[in-house]
Amino acid sequence: DTAVSQTPKYLVTQMGNDKSIKCEQNLGHDTMYWYKQDSKKFLKIMFSYNNKELIINETVPNRFSPKSPDKAHLNLHINSLELGDSAVYFCASSQAGRRTDTQYFGPGTRLTVL
Amino acid sequence: AQSVTQLGSHVSVSEGALVLLRCNYSSSVPPYLFWYVQYPNQGLQLLLKYTTGATLVKGINGFEAEFKKSETSFHLTKPSAHMSDAAEYFCAVSDPGTALIFGKGTTLSVSS
Repeated sequence: DTAVSQTPKYLVTQMGNDKSIKCEQNLGHDTMYWYKQDSKKFLKIMFSYNNKELIINETVPNRFSPKSPDKAHLNLHINSLELGDSAVYFCASSQAGRRTDTQYFGPGTRLTVL
Repeated sequence: AQSVTQLGSHVSVSEGALVLLRCNYSSSVPPYLFWYVQYPNQGLQLLLKYTTGATLVKGINGFEAEFKKSETSFHLTKPSAHMSDAAEYFCAVSDPGTALIFGKGTTLSVSS
């Protein structure tokens, strides 16, 4: 049983295209996150949702739009892809979005923009 | 604002040797600290965390960390390294908005 799953695992696309990454958690958690890991392995928060409501929106280009159809899913849509968007994107979830909660991470989606 | 500094981007040890990965933090609110491990091409897995209470925290795979407020440190140790410990290790602090603020990571190499 995969707790936090992401699809696809790999995504290779051309500049200017639009793509989506899907995330699902079966842990019954209320809060979900998107993190970006760059080529130097630095991890940075992008967005956070609690019960389908956006609570964290870091300084991310508005080409990135998260969508949470229900509290078990948090998808990331990226418009007009740029070379600098190439990275590994991780979805995570936590029980109630408290600072003490453990965040459980998905396996990541490696996005390559050509 | 919260931040994490991991000293040493790369640590190499021999199998059976002590593992010490350093982490210092800065936090404007009571710090909640985490260590995660990332194996190649995988997601992050929690090793251990400090929230409140006992300052010596034990985690999975024989790892432990000690929270030292006076030194603003949360170093990760393991008495005896195993080949399977080779991975990327991240220290993180929880910010007021509940996001994790990560350090830049330390690559642990273990040689036989």
